[in-house]
Amino acid sequence: ETGVTQTPRHLVMGMTNKKSLKCEQHLGHNAMDWYKQSAKKPLELMFVYNFKEQTENNSVPSRFSPECPNSSHLFLHLHTLQPEDSALYLCASSQVLAGGSQETQYFGPGTRLLVL
Amino acid sequence: EDQVTQSPEALRLQEGESSSLNCSYTVSGLRGLFWYRQDPGKGPEFLFTLYSAGEEKEKERLKATLTKKESFLHITAPKPEDSATYLCAVQAGNYGQNFVFGPGTRLSVLP
Repeated sequence: ETGVTQTPRHLVMGMTNKKSLKCEQHLGHNAMDWYKQSAKKPLELMFVYNFKEQTENNSVPSRFSPECPNSSHLFLHLHTLQPEDSALYLCASSQVLAGGSQETQYFGPGTRLLVL
Repeated sequence: EDQVTQSPEALRLQEGESSSLNCSYTVSGLRGLFWYRQDPGKGPEFLFTLYSAGEEKEKERLKATLTKKESFLHITAPKPEDSATYLCAVQAGNYGQNFVFGPGTRLSVLP
């Protein structure tokens, strides 16, 4: 148990569906991120929220839409996904120092997404 | 372009056989280097943060070191429960601007 929870743990959706992934952290950290982990590829940073402001989206397709209502919750809204979007989606909670360096980072268990 | 490579891709050790994993990086302005372990079907587990060349950190059987071009994760007398994929990542620039993961080293420790 890392203090970062994600729901759902597994999700199967069609290409026309709309779904949302949820992440919650109980660590008092000041940043939260979304990552994508595909087979045979390194972890890819998708979105970063530092102090509740989105600071990076790394050219992620618009069919992925993040939302961060407060410093403890993070959502990833999904719509009209493609089969190649099937992957493990990981949320991470980070403590970022005043100078912008990351100090620690804890990952949730991930949501295994399958797009049919 | 910032790059992170890890070697070997896979490593099999006998219990008690010490070894090292390598993480090589080419980034401009390293702000931090991070090590994680990841078990199958789970999210990565944070291990260490290293900020500058010469820095070392230890945790149980693991010791991480950092130079200007690479980092090593030394595993002393490993046990089967150390079997996992070990990932390194580097931060260049402010948080969120450039955070790159390596492909990982898959470690198997045989009893």
